Amino acid sequence: DIQMTQSPSTLSASVGDRVTITCRASQSISTWLAWYQQKPGKAPKLLIYKASSLESGVPSRFSGSGSGTEFTLTISSLQPDDFATYYCQQYNSYPGTFGQGTKVEI
Amino acid sequence: QVQLVESGGGVVQPGRSLRLSCAASGFSFSNYTMHWVRQAPGKGLEWVAVISYDGGNKYYADSVKGRFTISRDNSKNTLYLRMNSLRGDDRAVYYCARDPEEGSGSQLPQSAYFDYWGQGTLVTVSS
Repeated sequence: DIQMTQSPSTLSASVGDRVTITCRASQSISTWLAWYQQKPGKAPKLLIYKASSLESGVPSRFSGSGSGTEFTLTISSLQPDDFATYYCQQYNSYPGTFGQGTKVEI
Repeated sequence: QVQLVESGGGVVQPGRSLRLSCAASGFSFSNYTMHWVRQAPGKGLEWVAVISYDGGNKYYADSVKGRFTISRDNSKNTLYLRMNSLRGDDRAVYYCARDPEEGSGSQLPQSAYFDYWGQGTLVTVSS
């Protein structure tokens, strides 16, 4: 199975900060990578697919980049609604493995 | 609008069985592969199983292979997960999720991401 490793595990930031989360794959996955946001007690919400494509309805302050084994999710100006846990997921092959999550806290 | 609503979770003893359901609405259910993804309390996300458009092809995570069965009834727009021989480490919130790629037949895509998720149903395995 392809292993996905996110860093950092926890990130403390303030409203207005630029935030970057990194996701590394144990082997090349081209651009078959998605990012999700999850708030407590809620289902994950798709933010980014194919490494850099913004899902419809997602604010443009979210962006994704990368290919191969290294990927980043960037929030250009952190808003109060963005405090949540973020997961990357590879879908190059089954099983579609997730990173362990990055909690963005105040 | 797309809606996925899971049901069937609850408390079950180790070794027993449970069947989860996921009622879909707002889209042509038979045109999408469907998945189950689970999340143990306080933990990350784990993909569980996928089923092809017509139900003819299925694939499972190693952790559930031989114990869980995914199925679908396209006439009822419903996805199922039959869970047998439940263990303590199966305790989790189970989500059904949709692969956004439309298609038909028994093919399975190479893998998938998920554009819509249900609200989840909690399964607790305890004596």
